[in-house]
Amino acid sequence: DSGVTQTPKHLITATGQRVTLRCSPRSGDLSVYWYQQSLDQGLQFLIQYYNGEERAKGNILERFSAQQFPDLHSELNLSSLELGDSALYFCASSASGEGIDEQFFGPGTRLTVL
Amino acid sequence: GQSLEQPSEVTAVEGAIVQINCTYQTSGFYGLSWYQQHDGGAPTFLSYNALDGLEETGRFSSFLSRSDSYGYLLLQELQMKDSASYFCAVIPGDSSYKLIFGSGTRLLVRP
Repeated sequence: DSGVTQTPKHLITATGQRVTLRCSPRSGDLSVYWYQQSLDQGLQFLIQYYNGEERAKGNILERFSAQQFPDLHSELNLSSLELGDSALYFCASSASGEGIDEQFFGPGTRLTVL
Repeated sequence: GQSLEQPSEVTAVEGAIVQINCTYQTSGFYGLSWYQQHDGGAPTFLSYNALDGLEETGRFSSFLSRSDSYGYLLLQELQMKDSASYFCAVIPGDSSYKLIFGSGTRLLVRP
């Protein structure tokens, strides 16, 4: 158990819908990362927050947005969902948010868009 | 942009040694990390190299050559539980806050 929690574990929805994925970092970690992993693919970096501020952005679609709240939990919002958005979404946390830090990954949310 | 190349699959025998290579192309570079992911599980950190040379952690070692834009993960005394996917990841020069992952190498350990 990494100490990072993600909810829900599974999510099934229809095209065009909007969903929110939630992540709580390890106690003491200030940084949260979001990744997308499609079937048999690597992890695609989406976005990173540090202590409530957006710090780095990857190839995140405009239909996707995220935020980190004062209690350091983070939410990833996915809207106008398409079939291709079906994937495993991981949240990770680290202490400083520097890439050299070990990142601790949550169990992931499996999103299925029908 | 950044790109990383790893073999898609490697098979080895229990007790043997296996090397998983990673070559990268980035505009700037801070370091190379390795993560392990079992089927259905979350990635877990294995190692990080910022400088050239070999870093050893138990049965696992990781090597980096910055001049060759190349690294590898060496797994010794393979065990069945080592069957997993292994990802190299780079910290690109445009942001020390990002971690860009390769597409992963699936390691199958046979008895």
